[in-house]
Amino acid sequence: KNEVEQSPQNLTAQEGEFITINCSYSVGISALHWLQQHPGGGIVSLFMLSSGKKKHGRLIATINIQEKHSSLHITASHPRDSAVYICAAHRIGNEKLTFGTGTRLTIIP
Amino acid sequence: DVKVTQSSRYLVKRTGEKVFLECVQDMDHENMFWYRQDPGLGLRLIYFSYDVKMKEKGDIPEGYSVSREKKERFSLILESASTNQTSMYLCASSSWGGKAQYFGPGTRLTVL
Repeated sequence: KNEVEQSPQNLTAQEGEFITINCSYSVGISALHWLQQHPGGGIVSLFMLSSGKKKHGRLIATINIQEKHSSLHITASHPRDSAVYICAAHRIGNEKLTFGTGTRLTIIP
Repeated sequence: DVKVTQSSRYLVKRTGEKVFLECVQDMDHENMFWYRQDPGLGLRLIYFSYDVKMKEKGDIPEGYSVSREKKERFSLILESASTNQTSMYLCASSSWGGKAQYFGPGTRLTVL
């Protein structure tokens, strides 16, 4: 079993829908990261969170430390949100990240 | 803005060639990382460096070596390229203390 699991692996939705991507981890962490990768593009860090909730525009990330679970939400989804979303865990006392395998999101106009 | 640059976006090499991939960051970050990304496998760490001349093996170091002679520059070396090293290679950097990593644009390497 991977230390960081994401679901779903693929998600297709209509423009305007509310999107949820889930991430579960099995190790103790100091922070959880959400990253975005557009086709052919580099990876951009969206959020780094260690508790509670963060919001940036239409993106919201939440984390429940007790349940070892994080979610990334996108409100009013748009075709430009189509990308691969990756969660990654920073283990306590470790500079390295452990990555999930990513969720490929496709938003249809 | 943090900038991480990689020497090539696309590279085609022959089996057995020595391949150098270079990464430069401009934010005085202590940590630098080399990953490869393959479909269905996600990002896997090849090597990590936390200081000049310091390195640590990642999950898949076999067939690779690294060099960090200056703080801003981290090189990945494929001593004798093989077809199973065809992949997307991504470099990243971060400051010390579990901070966010900043990624370069990636190098898509094809080994024929």
